[in-house]
Amino acid sequence: EAGVTQFPSHSVIEKGQTVTLRCDPISGHDNLYWYRRVMGKEIKFLLHFVKESKQDESGMPNNRFLAERTGGTYSTLKVQPAELEDSGVYFCASSHSGLTDTQYFGPGTRLTVL
Amino acid sequence: ILNVEQSPQSLHVQEGDSTNFTCSFPSSNFYALHWYRWETAKSPEALFVMTLNGDEKKKGRISATLNTKEGYSYLYIKGSQPEDSATYLCAPPRGNTPLVFGKGTRLSVIA
Repeated sequence: EAGVTQFPSHSVIEKGQTVTLRCDPISGHDNLYWYRRVMGKEIKFLLHFVKESKQDESGMPNNRFLAERTGGTYSTLKVQPAELEDSGVYFCASSHSGLTDTQYFGPGTRLTVL
Repeated sequence: ILNVEQSPQSLHVQEGDSTNFTCSFPSSNFYALHWYRWETAKSPEALFVMTLNGDEKKKGRISATLNTKEGYSYLYIKGSQPEDSATYLCAPPRGNTPLVFGKGTRLSVIA
């Protein structure tokens, strides 16, 4: 069974540009999460989809971040316009059900904003 | 705000030594506790999901215990090997499902 995949693995952009990150969850997993780790800090929750619906987006830093999950399969996270403080590793995770189910993480996308 | 504390922040042990570290979390409204093993440049690898007070889980040389009444979990590694070197993260869910991660314990096993 394929794991969670993320694309790209690395992205280097300039401040003010737009970047779109993609996550493909494990097939059949209704729950999809985005997390972010800024250098030296903890991994922080961004948002949670159940199928195509946003269940919780309380961790989204501001309105420059837009996440979608059309059709309830893969998800995209767009940052527009990117700022220096957006640099970090963006992880996606998926789980079959909620609360007590294991969340399987993807390898992350390392975003560097110059 | 859910406060998750892990200690120690870092740990160096000799190959063959056994070791343990702690995760502390608020005991109220407890749902579950997740443990992950994370090597830099890789994805966090799920180790355990623990839900019941007194739970003990084991995976090879790694085991964990859970005390929900006092709000802590211990992770034990028996006979540490260099390949155990990683950051070990604990994460209770906040409310519905999002995980709240601690800063982790960085373990280095010296051959």
